[in-house]
Amino acid sequence: QKEVEQNSGPLSVPEGAIASLNCTYSDRGSQSFFWYRQYSGKSPELIMSIYSNGDKEDGRFTAQLNKASQYVSLLIRDSQPSDSATYLCAVNFYGNNRLAFGKGNQVVVIP
Amino acid sequence: DGGITQSPKYLFRKEGQNVTLSCEQNLNHDAMYWYRQDPGQGLRLIYYSQIVNDFQKGDIAEGYSVSREKKESFPLTVTSAQKNPTAFYLCASQGERGMNEQFFGPGTRLTVL
Repeated sequence: QKEVEQNSGPLSVPEGAIASLNCTYSDRGSQSFFWYRQYSGKSPELIMSIYSNGDKEDGRFTAQLNKASQYVSLLIRDSQPSDSATYLCAVNFYGNNRLAFGKGNQVVVIP
Repeated sequence: DGGITQSPKYLFRKEGQNVTLSCEQNLNHDAMYWYRQDPGQGLRLIYYSQIVNDFQKGDIAEGYSVSREKKESFPLTVTSAQKNPTAFYLCASQGERGMNEQFFGPGTRLTVL
C-alpha cells in the first residue's frame, strides 16, 4: 500500500513566525511532490511542486525534498493570518498518473 | 479565462436517487480526476481518465460511474448503490505530461437527505 503520512496535529504559530510541516511517503521510487493549501470549505490550491532533492523557494514558501529519507517538508516564513488553512501533501508514485494525498495538517496563525 | 468549473456547488439528493455532477475544463488538459473528501480525511480517488473515451477506477469506485466523451468534460454519477454519498466532491485536471501537477475545480458538496 503506497502511503503518504502527515502525522502532526494542528499547528499554531504566532504571526511572523515560521511554520514547518512534514510529510513522509512509502514509495522510494516517487518522482513528484506537491503541497496544496485548502481553506475551510474550499478546494485545494497548488502552492508548491518539487521534483529533485534540495530546497525550492517561492515567496514565503520553501519546499524541501529528501528522497533518501523519503520526506518532503514545507516551511512558511513570516506567517500571516491568511496562511491559516489545511496543507495537503501529495505524491506521485512511480509508474502511474495518480497522486496520493496525506490527510493534511491544519495551520492556525495567531495575530 | 482558463479553468475548471463544477456544478452545482451544492446538491441535495434523496436516498435512492442517482445524481450527476458536472466537471468542465478549458485548459486543454488530457487527464481528469474525481476525488471525494470527507471531514478530517484526505482526498480519495474515485475515477480518473487519461484520454477521451477511456477511464480507470480509483480506490473507491463502487457506487459511482463516469464518462469521458469529450476532452473538456468528465461527469460523475453518484448512483443509489453508493452507501454513504454525503461528501465534498472535487474534480481535477492534470497539466503538462510528466509534471503531474493537478488543478482543482471549486467542488460540489453533496448531501443525501
